[in-house]
Amino acid sequence: DGGITQSPKYLFRKEGQNVTLSCEQNLNHDAMYWYRQDPGQGLRLIYYSQIVNDFQKGDIAEGYSVSREKKESFPLTVTSAQKNPTVFYLCASSPQGPNTEAFFGQGTRLTVV
Amino acid sequence: KQEVTQIPAALSVPEGENLVLNCSFTDSAIYNLQWFRQDPGKGLTSLLLIQSSQREQTSGRLNASLDKSSGRSTLYIAASQPGDSATYLCASIMIKAAGNKLTFGGGTRVLVKP
Repeated sequence: DGGITQSPKYLFRKEGQNVTLSCEQNLNHDAMYWYRQDPGQGLRLIYYSQIVNDFQKGDIAEGYSVSREKKESFPLTVTSAQKNPTVFYLCASSPQGPNTEAFFGQGTRLTVV
Repeated sequence: KQEVTQIPAALSVPEGENLVLNCSFTDSAIYNLQWFRQDPGKGLTSLLLIQSSQREQTSGRLNASLDKSSGRSTLYIAASQPGDSATYLCASIMIKAAGNKLTFGGGTRVLVKP
């Protein structure tokens, strides 16, 4: 089945610890995105990538890092600088060209313990 | 900077009633507009993509219109069912030098009562 997969679904980290969230797609999409969704707020863009080995900061990139070594994969590292207790992270991908329909993974909920 | 607004933030209707969800955006130079559905604790499911050359798009009971000049899109859901209860989000899609950029509205939380 084609789609976009995020893992794990739930993740716990201790204060001061960095963690990496996985995002994989087999849709052959060029573009990939990371968003965070906080309760009562909309989706905010963290990083995005249009091509392998290139990525751009979104609106709230501080405290995060990414890599795009393969077209299929766009992992997000949450550094210890992030203080929020619980955040829901969503990964998306979309093709280039006129049909820019974006598809999302099922999300990863990260909790600081 | 593009801003996308969805009003109302929440909506409750009896089963069978038609739903009308609104989305407005400040910069009319959008490329496309996309509607999503989100169930609690889940990711976003794509419902409809309206390309800039189109004025509307239909899928089953869903119909979405786009008026770029007025900065508005509307999602209609006919004959609502309890299973339609979810949060609905719209996103404008703009083409930038660094790539496509999606800007989301805050969503409308819909409850369809049996």
